[in-house]
Amino acid sequence: DIQMTQSPSSLSASVGDRVTITCRASQGISNTLAWFQQKPGKAPKSLIYAASTLQSGVPSRFSGSGSGTDFTLTITSLQPEDFATYFCQQYNSYPLTFGPGTKVDI
Amino acid sequence: QVQMVESGGGVVQPGRSLRLSCEASGFTFSRYGMHWVRQAPGKGLEWVAVISYDGSDKFYADSVKGRITISRDNSKNTLSLQMSGLRPEDTAVYYCAKDTNLWSGSLDYWGQGTLVTVSS
Repeated sequence: DIQMTQSPSSLSASVGDRVTITCRASQGISNTLAWFQQKPGKAPKSLIYAASTLQSGVPSRFSGSGSGTDFTLTITSLQPEDFATYFCQQYNSYPLTFGPGTKVDI
Repeated sequence: QVQMVESGGGVVQPGRSLRLSCEASGFTFSRYGMHWVRQAPGKGLEWVAVISYDGSDKFYADSVKGRITISRDNSKNTLSLQMSGLRPEDTAVYYCAKDTNLWSGSLDYWGQGTLVTVSS
């Protein structure tokens, strides 16, 4: 199975900050990497797929990059509604696996 | 708009069975693979199972293999998860999620989830 790790596990930030979250795969996965945002009590919401492609309707302050084993999610100018937990997920092979999450709070 | 509504969760004793359902709307259900993903309370996301667009292919996580069966009825736009031999570690919110393709593993839409609690 492909193991996914994320760093940091949590971070504190302020509105307007630039935030970067890192995701690493235990083996190369090309660009088969997705990012999700989850708020308490809610279902995950898809933000990015294919490592860098924004889902329809996702604000352009979100961006993704990377290929192979190392990936990043960047939020430029953090907004109040962005405080949430972020997960990466690989879909290079089954079983699908998720990172442990990064909680972004104030 | 795309919508998935899960149902069937509840409190069940260890060793018993439970069947979850996911009713989909807003897209051509029969063209897409479908997944179940679960999340234990306060924990991360764990992929559980996938079924191809036509139901001919299924794949399971090792943690549930042999105890869980995924199925679909394309005539009713419904995805199901039959769970047996439930264990306390199966306690989680169970989400159904739509694949972006036949069964690529890229997930775009999720239901709101249904909570399964396994406890005596």
